[in-house]
Amino acid sequence: ELKVEQNPLFLSMQEGKNYTIYCNYSTTSDRLYWYRQDPGKSLESLFVLLSNGAVKQEGRLMASLDTKARLSTLHITAAVHDLSATYFCAVVEEYGNKLVFGAGTILRVKS
Amino acid sequence: NAGVMQNPRHLVRRRGQEARLRCSPMKGHSHVYWYRQLPEEGLKFMVYLQKENIIDESGMPKERFSAEFPKEGPSILRIQQVVRGDSAAYFCASSPLLRLAGIGELFFGEGSRLTVL
Repeated sequence: ELKVEQNPLFLSMQEGKNYTIYCNYSTTSDRLYWYRQDPGKSLESLFVLLSNGAVKQEGRLMASLDTKARLSTLHITAAVHDLSATYFCAVVEEYGNKLVFGAGTILRVKS
Repeated sequence: NAGVMQNPRHLVRRRGQEARLRCSPMKGHSHVYWYRQLPEEGLKFMVYLQKENIIDESGMPKERFSAEFPKEGPSILRIQQVVRGDSAAYFCASSPLLRLAGIGELFFGEGSRLTVL
């Protein structure tokens, strides 16, 4: 059974600082997703990572995937308050048909 | 996530009542997923449906929960005889592709928040 673990589960950052969220998964996968969720809202797709070594960047967020290590990272550069949200990684098991989510990382950026 | 419509957005039920949650997928999407999110937790897969077929219901509780996606109309998640532990946000997502092939991804609705008194 595919298991997805994120850490940290809670992250309090000062504006302007850098930090990384980690996502480990337990079985072979052919794709990984990062989502953002604001309180009481739905999930917004941030990145889809499809292959080993894939790196994608959007603004202050950069995601990477190492399929050999079964690890993805979401790096935050020079955090700003607007990035405060919960971030989820989700993995599709190889040949599978559903997303399995991590528990989420609650990010709070302090002014 | 625009385009996946869920209703009601908020639903309050007393213990023992029935809850019906509806999901209309994005135009052109014939695959629907239901997920449940308990407070302060991640999303847990419940069921995956194609029109008139249940593809994977491995995440559905064995009793009281059922789902359908008829040929016409929205997908419906039905919870009979609700209990307080059913209080959660229920998210629907849709995809145009079987098995999330290629670069397929899920598009999520705004969710239906069920409160059981």
